[in-house]
Amino acid sequence: KAGVTQTPRYLIKTRGQQVTLSCSPISGHRSVSWYQQTPGQGLQFLFEYFSETQRNKGNFPGRFSGRQFSNSRSEMNVSTLELGDSALYLCASTGLGIKETQYFGPGTRLLVL
Amino acid sequence: TQLLEQSPQFLSIQEGENLTVYCNSSSVFSSLQWYRQEPGEGPVLLVTVVTGGEVKKLKRLTFQFGDARKDSSLHITAAQPGDTGLYLCAGARGDYKLSFGAGTTVTVRA
Repeated sequence: KAGVTQTPRYLIKTRGQQVTLSCSPISGHRSVSWYQQTPGQGLQFLFEYFSETQRNKGNFPGRFSGRQFSNSRSEMNVSTLELGDSALYLCASTGLGIKETQYFGPGTRLLVL
Repeated sequence: TQLLEQSPQFLSIQEGENLTVYCNSSSVFSSLQWYRQEPGEGPVLLVTVVTGGEVKKLKRLTFQFGDARKDSSLHITAAQPGDTGLYLCAGARGDYKLSFGAGTTVTVRA
């Protein structure tokens, strides 16, 4: 069974631009969560989607948004990029077994210049 | 402030030695996961523990969930260089939002 896939793996943007990241969950998984990982803050929860609806949200500004499609694929968008948005963005899907276990993708490394 | 406190932050040991990583909180969790992450990659799930007092063994790795479901530990026996990585604990409280510890960087020297 294929794991969680994320595209692109690497991205370089400049301040003020916007970016869209994509995540395909494990087949059959319907919940997708997004996290931001930085050396200073560690892993921080952004939001979680289930059946195309945002079910949980972390403490990030409105510049961070997401959506989920009917096939459970999810996208995350960051508008008006700031230098501090440079991070590894991780997507995780939740399995059919223990409901809180999350399986992570390889991440998208975003660098904002 | 991290909901989950991991200790130590860094650990460097010789191949063949044992090590223990701790994950503590004042909050109760419905489940707790341990992950290992290598540079530039996503965290890889090692185990999920859900029952207070539960002990799970995965080859040389032993995971324990505290009786009160507020803390956990990861013990590695006879560590190998392949065990090198960032170990993360993450707790769930009945929703799909995991709270992560800051991580423990483990280096096993050959």
